Amino acid sequence: GQNIDQPTEMTATEGAIVQINCTYQTSGFNGLFWYQQHAGEAPTFLSYNVLDGLEEKGRFSSFLSRSKGYSYLLLKELQMKDSASYLCAVRDMGNTGFQKLVFGTGTRLLVSP
Amino acid sequence: EAQVTQNPRYLITVTGKKLTVTCSQNMNHEYMSWYRQDPGLGLRQIYYSMNVEVTDKGDVPEGYKVSRKEKRNFPLILESPSPNQTSLYFCASSWRTGGGTEAFFGQGTRLTVV
Repeated sequence: GQNIDQPTEMTATEGAIVQINCTYQTSGFNGLFWYQQHAGEAPTFLSYNVLDGLEEKGRFSSFLSRSKGYSYLLLKELQMKDSASYLCAVRDMGNTGFQKLVFGTGTRLLVSP
Repeated sequence: EAQVTQNPRYLITVTGKKLTVTCSQNMNHEYMSWYRQDPGLGLRQIYYSMNVEVTDKGDVPEGYKVSRKEKRNFPLILESPSPNQTSLYFCASSWRTGGGTEAFFGQGTRLTVV
Protein backbone atom coordinates (compact mmCIF):
# COMPACT_ATOMS: atom_id res chain seq x y z
CA GLY A 1 0.00 0.00 0.00
CA GLN A 2 0.90 3.63 0.07
CA ASN A 3 1.22 6.11 2.91
CA ILE A 4 2.02 9.79 2.55
CA ASP A 5 2.40 12.09 5.55
CA GLN A 6 2.65 15.85 5.66
CA PRO A 7 1.82 18.37 8.38
CA THR A 8 -1.77 19.56 8.45
CA GLU A 9 -1.07 23.24 8.87
CA MET A 10 1.83 25.68 9.04
CA THR A 11 2.08 29.40 9.60
CA ALA A 12 4.77 31.82 8.47
CA THR A 13 5.40 35.52 8.03
CA GLU A 14 5.60 37.44 4.79
CA GLY A 15 9.19 37.54 3.52
CA ALA A 16 10.25 34.48 5.50
CA ILE A 17 11.27 30.99 4.36
CA VAL A 18 9.16 27.92 5.08
CA GLN A 19 9.86 24.24 4.56
CA ILE A 20 7.01 21.76 4.12
CA ASN A 21 7.98 18.15 4.68
CA CYS A 22 6.54 15.02 3.14
CA THR A 23 7.36 11.43 4.03
CA TYR A 24 6.11 8.52 2.03
CA GLN A 25 6.02 4.76 1.96
CA THR A 26 5.28 3.08 -1.32
CA SER A 27 6.16 -0.18 -3.00
CA GLY A 28 6.79 1.18 -6.48
CA PHE A 29 8.07 4.75 -6.25
CA ASN A 30 8.48 6.51 -9.57
CA GLY A 31 8.55 10.22 -8.86
CA LEU A 32 7.18 12.84 -6.49
CA PHE A 33 5.14 15.93 -7.32
CA TRP A 34 4.24 19.04 -5.39
CA TYR A 35 1.03 20.90 -6.19
CA GLN A 36 -0.36 24.18 -4.90
CA GLN A 37 -4.07 24.51 -4.27
CA HIS A 38 -5.87 27.68 -3.28
CA ALA A 39 -9.11 27.18 -1.40
CA GLY A 40 -11.87 25.89 -3.68
CA GLU A 41 -9.63 25.91 -6.73
CA ALA A 42 -7.86 23.29 -8.81
CA PRO A 43 -4.40 22.02 -7.83
CA THR A 44 -1.62 23.47 -9.98
CA PHE A 45 1.74 21.85 -10.62
CA LEU A 46 4.78 23.21 -8.79
CA SER A 47 7.61 20.69 -9.06
CA TYR A 48 8.69 17.15 -9.87
CA ASN A 49 11.52 15.06 -8.42
CA VAL A 50 12.50 11.55 -9.43
CA LEU A 51 16.21 11.56 -8.56
CA ASP A 52 17.77 12.49 -5.24
CA GLY A 53 18.62 16.12 -4.81
CA LEU A 54 17.28 19.62 -5.07
CA GLU A 55 15.24 21.07 -7.90
CA GLU A 56 15.01 24.86 -7.90
CA LYS A 57 12.39 26.92 -9.67
CA GLY A 58 12.36 30.58 -8.74
CA ARG A 59 11.20 31.06 -5.15
CA PHE A 60 10.25 27.40 -4.87
CA SER A 61 12.60 24.44 -4.45
CA SER A 62 11.90 20.78 -3.89
CA PHE A 63 14.19 18.14 -2.44
CA LEU A 64 14.00 14.36 -2.60
CA SER A 65 15.76 11.55 -0.73
CA ARG A 66 14.53 8.23 -2.06
CA SER A 67 16.43 6.17 0.51
CA LYS A 68 14.69 8.05 3.34
CA GLY A 69 11.31 8.29 1.66
CA TYR A 70 11.42 12.02 2.23
CA SER A 71 10.81 15.21 0.33
CA TYR A 72 10.41 18.85 1.20
CA LEU A 73 9.13 21.93 -0.54
CA LEU A 74 10.98 25.13 0.28
CA LEU A 75 9.29 28.47 -0.26
CA LYS A 76 11.45 31.59 -0.06
CA GLU A 77 10.51 35.26 0.21
CA LEU A 78 6.99 34.35 1.20
CA GLN A 79 4.16 36.44 -0.19
CA MET A 80 0.58 36.69 0.98
CA LYS A 81 -0.55 34.95 -2.20
CA ASP A 82 1.41 31.87 -1.13
CA SER A 83 -1.30 31.16 1.46
CA ALA A 84 -2.67 27.90 0.08
CA SER A 85 -2.58 24.15 0.56
CA TYR A 86 0.48 22.28 -0.70
CA LEU A 87 -0.08 18.73 -1.84
CA CYS A 88 2.62 16.08 -1.95
CA ALA A 89 1.87 13.33 -4.49
CA VAL A 90 3.80 10.17 -5.19
CA ARG A 91 3.68 8.29 -8.46
CA ASP A 92 3.35 4.63 -7.60
CA MET A 93 3.59 1.61 -9.85
CA GLY A 94 0.86 -0.27 -8.00
CA ASN A 95 0.03 -3.95 -8.30
CA THR A 96 -0.96 -3.81 -11.96
CA GLY A 97 2.14 -1.99 -13.11
CA PHE A 98 0.03 1.01 -13.92
CA GLN A 99 1.52 4.19 -12.58
CA LYS A 100 -0.86 6.37 -10.63
CA LEU A 101 -0.63 9.47 -8.46
CA VAL A 102 -1.29 9.07 -4.75
CA PHE A 103 -1.84 12.31 -2.85
CA GLY A 104 -1.14 13.27 0.72
CA THR A 105 -3.82 15.16 2.63
CA GLY A 106 -2.06 18.47 2.02
CA THR A 107 -0.45 21.13 4.20
CA ARG A 108 -2.36 24.36 4.66
CA LEU A 109 0.06 27.29 4.76
CA LEU A 110 -1.05 30.58 6.28
CA VAL A 111 1.14 33.59 5.52
CA SER A 112 0.63 36.58 7.78
CA PRO A 113 1.81 40.18 7.25
CA GLU B 1 -5.58 27.76 -24.29
CA ALA B 2 -4.76 24.31 -22.89
CA GLN B 3 -7.32 23.38 -20.32
CA VAL B 4 -9.48 20.81 -18.63
CA THR B 5 -13.12 21.88 -18.42
CA GLN B 6 -15.63 20.47 -15.96
CA ASN B 7 -19.33 21.13 -15.80
CA PRO B 8 -21.20 22.02 -13.77
CA ARG B 9 -19.10 23.91 -11.21
CA TYR B 10 -21.77 23.62 -8.54
CA LEU B 11 -24.61 21.14 -8.23
CA ILE B 12 -27.19 20.44 -5.56
CA THR B 13 -29.28 17.33 -6.13
CA VAL B 14 -31.50 14.90 -4.26
CA THR B 15 -30.74 11.35 -3.26
CA GLY B 16 -31.28 8.88 -6.06
CA LYS B 17 -31.49 11.31 -8.97
CA LYS B 18 -28.99 10.28 -11.63
CA LEU B 19 -26.45 12.90 -12.62
CA THR B 20 -23.46 13.30 -14.91
CA VAL B 21 -20.46 15.56 -14.44
CA THR B 22 -18.71 16.26 -17.72
CA CYS B 23 -14.97 16.63 -18.26
CA SER B 24 -13.27 17.65 -21.47
CA GLN B 25 -9.62 18.34 -22.27
CA ASN B 26 -8.16 19.97 -25.37
CA MET B 27 -4.55 18.77 -25.01
CA ASN B 28 -4.95 15.36 -26.71
CA HIS B 29 -3.96 13.69 -23.43
CA GLU B 30 -4.23 9.92 -23.23
CA TYR B 31 -4.63 9.63 -19.50
CA MET B 32 -7.61 11.02 -17.60
CA SER B 33 -8.85 10.48 -14.07
CA TRP B 34 -11.44 11.56 -11.55
CA TYR B 35 -10.74 12.45 -7.93
CA ARG B 36 -12.85 13.45 -4.99
CA GLN B 37 -11.52 15.71 -2.29
CA ASP B 38 -12.84 15.64 1.25
CA PRO B 39 -11.55 17.48 4.33
CA GLY B 40 -8.80 15.53 6.06
CA LEU B 41 -8.73 12.87 3.35
CA GLY B 42 -7.02 14.62 0.48
CA LEU B 43 -7.52 13.75 -3.17
CA ARG B 44 -8.66 10.18 -3.73
CA GLN B 45 -8.85 8.62 -7.16
CA ILE B 46 -12.26 7.35 -8.24
CA TYR B 47 -11.65 6.05 -11.77
CA TYR B 48 -9.02 6.48 -14.42
CA SER B 49 -8.68 5.91 -18.14
CA MET B 50 -5.49 5.18 -20.03
CA ASN B 51 -7.06 5.75 -23.44
CA VAL B 52 -10.30 5.49 -25.40
CA GLU B 53 -12.43 2.56 -24.18
CA VAL B 54 -9.85 1.72 -21.46
CA THR B 55 -11.02 2.52 -17.93
CA ASP B 56 -10.36 1.06 -14.51
CA LYS B 57 -11.26 1.56 -10.87
CA GLY B 58 -9.27 3.79 -8.60
CA ASP B 59 -9.33 3.72 -4.81
CA VAL B 60 -12.95 4.76 -4.20
CA PRO B 61 -15.06 3.62 -7.20
CA GLU B 62 -18.24 2.53 -5.39
CA GLY B 63 -21.29 4.43 -6.57
CA TYR B 64 -19.64 5.87 -9.67
CA LYS B 65 -19.37 4.99 -13.35
CA VAL B 66 -17.29 6.45 -16.15
CA SER B 67 -16.97 6.12 -19.90
CA ARG B 68 -14.30 7.09 -22.43
CA LYS B 69 -15.83 7.01 -25.89
CA GLU B 70 -13.70 9.88 -27.16
CA LYS B 71 -10.19 10.88 -26.22
CA ARG B 72 -11.15 14.36 -25.06
CA ASN B 73 -14.15 13.47 -22.86
CA PHE B 74 -14.36 11.52 -19.61
CA PRO B 75 -17.75 11.94 -17.90
CA LEU B 76 -18.40 10.85 -14.32
CA ILE B 77 -21.81 9.28 -13.73
CA LEU B 78 -23.59 8.90 -10.42
CA GLU B 79 -26.48 6.51 -11.08
CA SER B 80 -28.09 6.92 -7.66
CA PRO B 81 -26.34 9.64 -5.66
CA SER B 82 -26.29 9.44 -1.89
CA PRO B 83 -25.36 12.06 0.73
CA ASN B 84 -21.96 10.44 1.30
CA GLN B 85 -21.06 11.45 -2.25
CA THR B 86 -21.24 15.10 -1.29
CA SER B 87 -17.74 16.26 -2.13
CA LEU B 88 -15.50 18.37 -4.33
CA TYR B 89 -14.71 16.53 -7.55
CA PHE B 90 -11.76 17.08 -9.87
CA CYS B 91 -11.04 15.74 -13.31
CA ALA B 92 -7.41 15.56 -14.40
CA SER B 93 -5.52 14.69 -17.57
CA SER B 94 -1.91 14.10 -18.60
CA TRP B 95 0.05 12.82 -21.59
CA ARG B 96 0.86 9.54 -19.92
CA THR B 97 1.69 8.30 -16.50
CA GLY B 98 5.46 8.11 -16.70
CA GLY B 99 8.22 10.68 -16.55
CA GLY B 100 7.74 14.20 -15.32
CA THR B 101 4.40 14.67 -17.02
CA GLU B 102 2.27 16.52 -14.57
CA ALA B 103 -1.49 16.26 -14.32
CA PHE B 104 -3.68 19.20 -15.33
CA PHE B 105 -6.81 19.62 -13.25
CA GLY B 106 -10.23 20.97 -14.08
CA GLN B 107 -11.78 23.76 -12.00
CA GLY B 108 -13.67 21.35 -9.79
CA THR B 109 -17.33 20.46 -9.25
CA ARG B 110 -18.81 20.99 -5.83
CA LEU B 111 -21.59 18.44 -5.44
CA THR B 112 -24.13 18.41 -2.63
CA VAL B 113 -26.54 15.48 -2.31
CA VAL B 114 -29.47 16.08 0.03
